[in-house]
Amino acid sequence: EVQLVESGGGLVQPGRSLRLSCTASGFTFGDYAMSWVRQAPGKGLEWVGFIRSKAYGGTTEYAASVKGRFTISRDDSKSIAYLQMNSLKTEDTAVYYCTREDCGGDCYFDYWGQGTLVTVSS
Amino acid sequence: QSVLTQPPSASGTPGQRVTISCSGSSSNIGSNTVNWYQQLPGTAPKLLIYSNNQRPSGVPDRFSGSKSGTSASLAISGLQSEDEADYYCAAWDDSLNGPWVFGGGTKLTVL
Repeated sequence: EVQLVESGGGLVQPGRSLRLSCTASGFTFGDYAMSWVRQAPGKGLEWVGFIRSKAYGGTTEYAASVKGRFTISRDDSKSIAYLQMNSLKTEDTAVYYCTREDCGGDCYFDYWGQGTLVTVSS
Repeated sequence: QSVLTQPPSASGTPGQRVTISCSGSSSNIGSNTVNWYQQLPGTAPKLLIYSNNQRPSGVPDRFSGSKSGTSASLAISGLQSEDEADYYCAAWDDSLNGPWVFGGGTKLTVL
């Protein structure tokens, strides 16, 4: 059974940093791209960024709203994806979801974690 | 302001058929496939429709998707109370908006 479990959320002051983890199980982690999607309280979904599998270079892409502040990385030996968030702003307050991106043909987010809440406030 | 446009709300009575629209542009829906996600209250989103009209295993055939030009639609037939949820469309975007863009979401109420 595919499982994605996020951790690392919490309350952080503006300007500080936080690192989220996404621990995967039930599939060959290294074969898939992994994305982060966030949802501000009472709002819709916003794609944050993804990291490709090593077979596709392990490269990353980010939404304009987080580019230069957020960094996604992966440790395939541990089946973990990370989201390093620096220079946090109050508008980064959201539930952060880790998703698996299946690109067998077309691409889509086929599995989602339960999410972890990040609150940026002084 | 979301790149893909959805109506904020929709409603229907049990047994009815409802549709939810998703409007985009040539850089997203016009040139890439559309996926739909269902988010039940208090839970994480779940893949509902992929590649415009494909259902993952376990999704009832009451749910169907279609795409034409730069718009897509999600149809739910035989509406049930457990279908009350938020629905989001998403697509790959070839412009600076992307790569991934979502609709603002549609809250479906079963009356």
